[in-house]
Amino acid sequence: GAVVSQHPSRVICKSGTSVKIECRSLDFQATTMFWYRQFPKQSLMLMATSNEGSKATYEQGVEKDKFLINHASLTLSTLTVTSAHPEDSSFYICSARIPGPKNSPLHFGNGTRLTVT
Amino acid sequence: SQQGEEDPQALSIQEGENATMNCSYKTSINNLQWYRQNSGRGLVHLILIRSNEREKHSGRLRVTLDTSKKSSSLLITASRAADTASYFCATDGGTASKLTFGTGTRLQVTL
Repeated sequence: GAVVSQHPSRVICKSGTSVKIECRSLDFQATTMFWYRQFPKQSLMLMATSNEGSKATYEQGVEKDKFLINHASLTLSTLTVTSAHPEDSSFYICSARIPGPKNSPLHFGNGTRLTVT
Repeated sequence: SQQGEEDPQALSIQEGENATMNCSYKTSINNLQWYRQNSGRGLVHLILIRSNEREKHSGRLRVTLDTSKKSSSLLITASRAADTASYFCATDGGTASKLTFGTGTRLQVTL
């Protein structure tokens, strides 16, 4: 069964509004979660690493004020797309590792398809 | 960009045939992983091969790794229509946490 739950699966919003996406680890604690963005028929691009209890680490070129990440608990990270614009339309996916050996596989949520009109 | 590349970008085969996908990467690695993505869904981990391994099997999957060429291949034997998906390799670039994904291969298996 799923070990990472992501919500919502789809969201349509108007330009200028903000959208919050939730990523929850089920039955395990995740001190670190990863947020990816994927354009149609393309690969995943890491946006940021979400760290429980501290600031997220953003990849080069990702606006931290545009994509707000909050990791307030060991089982929940949220990504808020602020003042969304049509170019923010994309597929956003979160992932986390079950605590264990170093470099163990990532478990992914089912993604959120954001459409900004 | 440190992103790896995969080829072919797209592959169409008939059920029962074998499918081979290749991945090239740029940095040193601790391990290389392969993931599968059904359309519009998240990724599912398939197999991990460590940098000191050359070949690994899991069911109908066979993965090879050549660190001298910085390349890996994924072979799916006796393919099924349900194998239709995109397949991505991912490398850790030597760090403990971040994974960098390749460009992916879209596999279509027809009856």
